[in-house]
Amino acid sequence: NAGVTQTPKFQVLKTGQSMTLQCAQDMNHNSMYWYRQDPGMGLRLIYYSASEGTTDKGEVPNGYNVSRLNKREFSLRLESAAPSQTSVYFCASSVTNTGELFFGEGSRLTVL
Amino acid sequence: QKEVEQNSGPLSVPEGAIASLNCTYSDRGSQSFFWYRQYSGKSPELIMFIYSNGDKEDGRFTAQLNKASQYVSLLIRDSQPSDSATYLCAVNNSWGKLQFGAGTQVVVTP
Repeated sequence: NAGVTQTPKFQVLKTGQSMTLQCAQDMNHNSMYWYRQDPGMGLRLIYYSASEGTTDKGEVPNGYNVSRLNKREFSLRLESAAPSQTSVYFCASSVTNTGELFFGEGSRLTVL
Repeated sequence: QKEVEQNSGPLSVPEGAIASLNCTYSDRGSQSFFWYRQYSGKSPELIMFIYSNGDKEDGRFTAQLNKASQYVSLLIRDSQPSDSATYLCAVNNSWGKLQFGAGTQVVVTP
């Protein structure tokens, strides 16, 4: 029972490079989220998808794009990475937008 | 002013004692409240949620909510070394957006 799976777990990028973080859930959840976590800042919402076919901006969307590929998969893309995007990224899912989230293991991204 | 505020700690608690964690929020229309536990290097996991004023108990954990004071707390009774973690308060505000606090680090000392 995998739950929420994120790949890759670690990535080092150079400034200006692009990459996509992949997320998949097998719990038949409707809502999916991307958060970033920085020391002292807590979790901040980047983008979310309340249901298949919809996406909305969260608190810190600049520099990111997302795709809800189907009900299971929600990807996060950095088109031109910046050092300010160095962070730990968490994907999460929930049945509906209630706050009862299930998180993936996280992806640690370093931008040099 | 942050929407959800927590004391960052660390909160040092002797083994077997009660750990008391506090969280305040700014949106008076917030309806649901959550406590997540996050071990170092791991992802957050939901341990408690509360929707109504008063206390809610689950094993050694008790969540307390006072909407008039815009205050939610988490008590951990009979604290164990395995309770050493960062505890994140999350609030679903009146816009339906989940806001997280920065977390309180708890250290249980044997």
